[in-house]
Amino acid sequence: SQKIEQNSEALNIQEGKTATLTCNYTNYSPAYLQWYRQDPGRGPVFLLLIRENEKEKRKERLKVTFDTTLKQSLFHITASQPADSATYLCALDGGSGYALNFGKGTSLLVTP
Amino acid sequence: KAGVTQTPRYLIKTRGQQVTLSCSPISGHRSVSWYQQTPGQGLQFLFEYFSETQRNKGNFPGRFSGRQFSNSRSEMNVSTLELGDSALYLCASSLNGEETQYFGPGTRLLVL
Repeated sequence: SQKIEQNSEALNIQEGKTATLTCNYTNYSPAYLQWYRQDPGRGPVFLLLIRENEKEKRKERLKVTFDTTLKQSLFHITASQPADSATYLCALDGGSGYALNFGKGTSLLVTP
Repeated sequence: KAGVTQTPRYLIKTRGQQVTLSCSPISGHRSVSWYQQTPGQGLQFLFEYFSETQRNKGNFPGRFSGRQFSNSRSEMNVSTLELGDSALYLCASSLNGEETQYFGPGTRLLVL
């Protein structure tokens, strides 16, 4: 069956360091992969989309890599700040169109 | 441009009752998707509507239904509520169902 795995343990890092979050998937051949941020009590907010033919994408302090051979995406936040503390979700296209399948998310805590 | 709005924000119901949730997409967006989020299962896709037609449906029982109106506003209905239906229900919109989803703040439903 299709599965998306994100590290269920919270990631605690110090301000200024680089946070790296992992998203692994099985039994998917996604055309694209997305990363969202979710704060408590709020809906997810889109951050980045990377397509299957792209290896890396950047947006300000964010960087996403996509390895379709390893079936893995890495999400990096450089020079992390306490305001980056949130849950980060990866999502893959469901294959049948017009639906996203989400991982359960990784909680990131950046301490001063 | 106003974001996705959902009403009500909070709801308490008892088992066996039914509930209707409402979603107003971003102006100009014609696709509306619904998701259920629980701590155990994460974000799960319920269904997607475009131009008043359901184009895709997730793996939920028939008690979960939805519709979309000509102004793209959408409603979802859950009949014969069960305790396990307690969750955050999220609505997301996009122009035509393409990749990036814009989420509303969600409706938190508690079933007693």
